[in-house]
Amino acid sequence: SAVISQKPSRDICQRGTSLTIQCQVDSQVTMMFWYRQQPGQSLTLIATANQGSEATYESGFVIDKFPISRPNLTFSTLTVSNMSPEDSSIYLCSVGGQVRHTDTQYFGPGTRLTVL
Amino acid sequence: AQKVTQAQTEISVVEKEDVTLDCVYETRDTTYYLFWYKQPPSGELVFLIRRNSFDEQNEISGRYSWNFQKSTSSFNFTITASQVVDSAVYFCALSGVSGNTPLVFGKGTRLSVIA
Repeated sequence: SAVISQKPSRDICQRGTSLTIQCQVDSQVTMMFWYRQQPGQSLTLIATANQGSEATYESGFVIDKFPISRPNLTFSTLTVSNMSPEDSSIYLCSVGGQVRHTDTQYFGPGTRLTVL
Repeated sequence: AQKVTQAQTEISVVEKEDVTLDCVYETRDTTYYLFWYKQPPSGELVFLIRRNSFDEQNEISGRYSWNFQKSTSSFNFTITASQVVDSAVYFCALSGVSGNTPLVFGKGTRLSVIA
């Protein structure tokens, strides 16, 4: 399986500030995905990040609120901008695309965000 | 559109009981993947199994088994002789057959195993 790390693992932030979450994978992957899991809920896809192109956002998520970078094939960042308490969630990155020659998606450990 | 339904929101069993978690899916694709993930209280998402749509053989891994029935669009998960460590939220998910497609998740089933 792929080894995926995320930083920070958790954070408590004030309303109106921004937080950048990093996702690092130990092998080159085509696609990286960012998901949000609100408290007690399932996972919802925020966007798909392909190296060298703009991220593709799902309905209800916009680039101004959740800018994403994908500078190379092993790294991506997600920024949660101008945060409000409703942004309190676990944010998870996952990787797909020929990871260890499988099509299975593996997930990072998640970033647990609390907005006060 | 793809959809995954996990009708059981919460299940509580006594240790050593068997428990089955239900998953029903909808897709127009002729080939697809089905997954089960476990999310313990710590929050990480642990991959359990991936099943290709053209492989309807049931699978057993230790105390875990999976029953895939394409005719009823179901992919159910059974834990035999449950243990307290099995307590977690379990998610069923669906994707296209390329690793470049994201997962569509069910709402999850919270399993509590009581000693």
